[in-house]
Amino acid sequence: RKEVEQDPGPFNVPEGATVAFNCTYSNSASQSFFWYRQDCRKEPKLLMSVYSSGNEDGRFTAQLNRASQYISLLIRDSKLSDSATYLCVVNGGANNLFFGTGTRLTVIP
Amino acid sequence: DGGITQSPKYLFRKEGQNVTLSCEQNLNHDAMYWYRQDPGQGLRLIYYSQIVNDFQKGDIAEGYSVSREKKESFPLTVTSAQKNPTAFYLCASSRQGRETQYFGPGTRLLVL
Repeated sequence: RKEVEQDPGPFNVPEGATVAFNCTYSNSASQSFFWYRQDCRKEPKLLMSVYSSGNEDGRFTAQLNRASQYISLLIRDSKLSDSATYLCVVNGGANNLFFGTGTRLTVIP
Repeated sequence: DGGITQSPKYLFRKEGQNVTLSCEQNLNHDAMYWYRQDPGQGLRLIYYSQIVNDFQKGDIAEGYSVSREKKESFPLTVTSAQKNPTAFYLCASSRQGRETQYFGPGTRLLVL
């Protein structure tokens, strides 16, 4: 079983739509969780860390469910500039992060 | 201007050749990492270093070598033993292990 699993998509949504991505992780001892954004042929960039209580940053909301071992990312009022691949990242213990394969989002005009 | 730099942006390797990818950071981060990304796959850890003069193998270290002689620098050598080196190589750093990692712009390695 992979450490981190994501639906690869693609998700094609119209501008203004709300879209949600889920990610599951296998290591129940994981302590740190992140969402990164990666544009085509570029490096991943931190979008937001995910906290136990859930956190919001503008149009983006991240939730963590430790009991079910999944993380979600909600994007409201999608913009064309949100088109990218979203990587779910989980600390695997020690000093390693495990990356999901990413979920590709395309926002359509 | 703090950040992570990688060079070159594109690198071509001939059969049997060793090549070295550069990674430098001026963020005063202790930990540095090398990942490989292949199409349709997540990032896979090659090597990481938590402190100068110390480094550990990641999941796919075979065919690669690293050094950490300075805090700012963590070069990766792709040796001739790596039979499938074509990939996007990403260097990252963090203040310490388990903390948020920040990535350089990456190096695309292609085999001639």
